[in-house]
Amino acid sequence: QKEVEQNSGPLSVPEGAIASLNCTYSDRGSQSFFWYRQYSGKSPELIMSIYSNGDKEDGRFTAQLNKASQYVSLLIRDSQPSDSATYLCAVNPGYSSASKIIFGSGTRLSIRP
Amino acid sequence: NAGVTQTPKFQVLKTGQSMTLQCAQDMNHNSMYWYRQDPGMGLRLIYYSASEGTTDKGEVPNGYNVSRLNKREFSLRLESAAPSQTSVYFCASSDYTGTDTQYFGPGTRLTVL
Repeated sequence: QKEVEQNSGPLSVPEGAIASLNCTYSDRGSQSFFWYRQYSGKSPELIMSIYSNGDKEDGRFTAQLNKASQYVSLLIRDSQPSDSATYLCAVNPGYSSASKIIFGSGTRLSIRP
Repeated sequence: NAGVTQTPKFQVLKTGQSMTLQCAQDMNHNSMYWYRQDPGMGLRLIYYSASEGTTDKGEVPNGYNVSRLNKREFSLRLESAAPSQTSVYFCASSDYTGTDTQYFGPGTRLTVL
């Protein structure tokens, strides 16, 4: 079992709708959770980080964390064509002080006009 | 601030050749990382350096060596390149202030023939 799992997609969502991206992780002791966005041919950039159970909102983005279910998600409201990218879920297992983050393989999101 | 810079941006090698990928950050971060990204595989950690003077293996270290030259610079060396090392290489840095956020360089596209 991979340590961080994501559906590879592509996930196709109409413009203006809500895009929902999901991620599960295997290490119950994980402390920190991140969503990175990566445009084709570019480097990953951080969108959201979340550390405690519940929701965290930042503009059109909401990260949701459920540690009991080992599940983290990203909701994108009012999806725009510029949101079309690959979204990487990343988890810090918490067993190393060196912040060794583990990345999922990413979900490709396509926003259709 | 330039953030994280990498050189070169592109490189083509023949099997058996050697080369060094350079990475520098100007954010005064303690930790630096080298990842490779292959289609459908996400980001895989090659080596990391938690602080100046220390380096540790990641998930896929075979065929690579690293040097943490000083706090700013972290280089990755391929001693004898193989076609399996064809990939996009990303350098990243972070400072463990409780957020673990990693900042990525623009990447190096390496092809080994």
